[in-house]
Amino acid sequence: DTGVSQNPRHKITKRGQNVTFRCDPISEHNRLYWYRQTLGQGPEFLTYFQNEAQLEKSRLLSDRFSAERPKGSFSTLEIQRTEQGDSAMYLCASSQGQLLDIQYFGAGTRLSVL
Amino acid sequence: AQSVAQPEDQVNVAEGNPLTVKCTYSVSGNPYLFWYVQYPNRGLQFLLKYITGDNLVKGSYGFEAEFNKSQTSFHLKKPSALVSDSALYFCAVSQRAGFQKLVFGTGTRLLVSP
Repeated sequence: DTGVSQNPRHKITKRGQNVTFRCDPISEHNRLYWYRQTLGQGPEFLTYFQNEAQLEKSRLLSDRFSAERPKGSFSTLEIQRTEQGDSAMYLCASSQGQLLDIQYFGAGTRLSVL
Repeated sequence: AQSVAQPEDQVNVAEGNPLTVKCTYSVSGNPYLFWYVQYPNRGLQFLLKYITGDNLVKGSYGFEAEFNKSQTSFHLKKPSALVSDSALYFCAVSQRAGFQKLVFGTGTRLLVSP
């Protein structure tokens, strides 16, 4: 399967714990995006990488959130001191890096904070 | 700021009948419009996009969408619905040509009955 891969698929954690998600984009895709989707809502943009550079962050991305893409390939999204409001589906997408190209989404990581 | 409205939470249609899923948008400047479909436990799948040119855009699985600038709409259509089309459909807009941050609507659930 050469699609966008996200791990884990599900994560259950207790409030206050740290969690980390991984996204492996489609090979040779330069752009990588993180979105968050809560029940009954559409995905909301969190952040965006062009290769290893993080170029834009949403105000939704509080100080407890950090994302990296160290070698311009896979990316990690870490949430520190999780809160119940962080419970959501975290989606990763990648694209080739051309003007207005198509974003391909992974199946997401569902986070439940107890 | 750009936004998308999907006025119907759910659309019901009988198999073989035409379907329409509505979307209206708000952007300053040129809109770049997308439709994605989401099946349970799967990521968002790209259906089609409008950048410029013909107002009728054809996409995957027999879907098409009509761009109407005066009504700021981008409705998704299919001439003959299939039961397998039952899923959650999202309309999205991007405003900036150089960076494709997508702003999604809240989604419309399509139910196609046999």
